[in-house]
Amino acid sequence: GAVVSQHPSRVICKSGTSVKIECRSLDFQATTMFWYRQFPKQSLMLMATSNEGSKATYEQGVEKDKFLINHASLTLSTLTVTSAHPEDSSFYICSAHWTEVDEQYFGPGTRLTVT
Amino acid sequence: ELKVEQNPLFLSMQEGKNYTIYCNYSTTSDRLYWYRQDPGKSLESLFVLLSNGAVKQEGRLMASLDTKARLSTLHITAAVHDLSATYFCAVESGSRLTFGEGTQLTVNP
Repeated sequence: GAVVSQHPSRVICKSGTSVKIECRSLDFQATTMFWYRQFPKQSLMLMATSNEGSKATYEQGVEKDKFLINHASLTLSTLTVTSAHPEDSSFYICSAHWTEVDEQYFGPGTRLTVT
Repeated sequence: ELKVEQNPLFLSMQEGKNYTIYCNYSTTSDRLYWYRQDPGKSLESLFVLLSNGAVKQEGRLMASLDTKARLSTLHITAAVHDLSATYFCAVESGSRLTFGEGTQLTVNP
């Protein structure tokens, strides 16, 4: 149990386009999901907390109009990188919080490359 | 603001040797986690430590927590090549995780 999936696993897009990344909890419901970004050779940085049915909470320095988060159901959160630029190229990892066991489970990550 | 510091950031060791990775954090926390990350992969959960004095062991890895000193350690015993990876500690406060910088471990034959 406690499987989190992300789609796509890898995406290459052109500068100026938008890309959507999905995060799904496959066998549990997650009221809260988290989105992290990891640049090469660096640690994970929390970008935002996604709450089902309400607006996401963004960390300081993260542009909410550039990184759109939608948590429309208890098993799905999406992150849309709008008007992507090469500096947005990164490894994006989500985690889902399983309320019943009070644990976070990480997805496999999405490698975004903006050319 | 919660700060989490790991050291060393890079560790090269020989097979069969022992070593310890340290994780210091700046404020009180709910839980402390240790994760392993292989290149190009996401995080693999190793340990969760809940209370002062907690010690957990799995194979050649042992983690401990001293909440008074705000310090956790990850001890590696008789290292083998398969342990080569990056290890992160993360401190939880109100469901939010703050990660350390990571320790890149290389175990040489």
